[in-house]
Amino acid sequence: DAGVIQSPRHEVTEMGQEVTLRCKPISGHNSLFWYRQTMMRGLELLIYFNNNVPIDDSGMPEDRFSAKMPNASFSTLKIQPSEPRDSAVYFCASRPGSSSYNSPLHFGNGTRLTVT
Amino acid sequence: GIQVEQSPPDLILQEGANSTLRCNFSDSVNNLQWFHQNPWGQLINLFYIPSGTKQNGRLSATTVATERYSLLYISSSQTTDSGVYFCAVITGTASKLTFGTGTRLQVTL
Repeated sequence: DAGVIQSPRHEVTEMGQEVTLRCKPISGHNSLFWYRQTMMRGLELLIYFNNNVPIDDSGMPEDRFSAKMPNASFSTLKIQPSEPRDSAVYFCASRPGSSSYNSPLHFGNGTRLTVT
Repeated sequence: GIQVEQSPPDLILQEGANSTLRCNFSDSVNNLQWFHQNPWGQLINLFYIPSGTKQNGRLSATTVATERYSLLYISSSQTTDSGVYFCAVITGTASKLTFGTGTRLQVTL
């Protein structure tokens, strides 16, 4: 099992540029989550999908953020245009099943985004 | 929403010492996980433990759901145990995992 795979590991971009973060969940996992980690706010949920369908995007900070899951093995988080305050580590996580009752969450290694 | 508090916020141990980390939560939970974030930023799943006790090597965890707390025990600590330990919970039918603020552990030689 390769685990949750995220790319790139690091991204440095200039303010105003579009940024796309990618995630491949563990095969067979039905739920996918995007989290953001900052010193000020800790780990916060941005959006999650069940069976490729977005269920709750209330954590997405602004319209500049969008996420898609075109199929069960791939998801993207896009920021357009990026701003310095978007600098953070972005984690993708997946879980087998759509129920919260009996399945732990598995995290990828994260993408460290720096917007200058 | 549910509140998740961890203590202590910071902990410095000498190698070989034992420690207990605590996680208190404000509502009943269906899912509780302990994670270790290592110095490279990776979030490692330690335990999935909504109730009861589990052990994995030098680590063990106990969750007393009726009293709304969980404990993580680290025995014979090693420098590789350094990092931040998070507990995270899910309540009711929601799928959102709410994280505590973490305990930062430093193990010294």
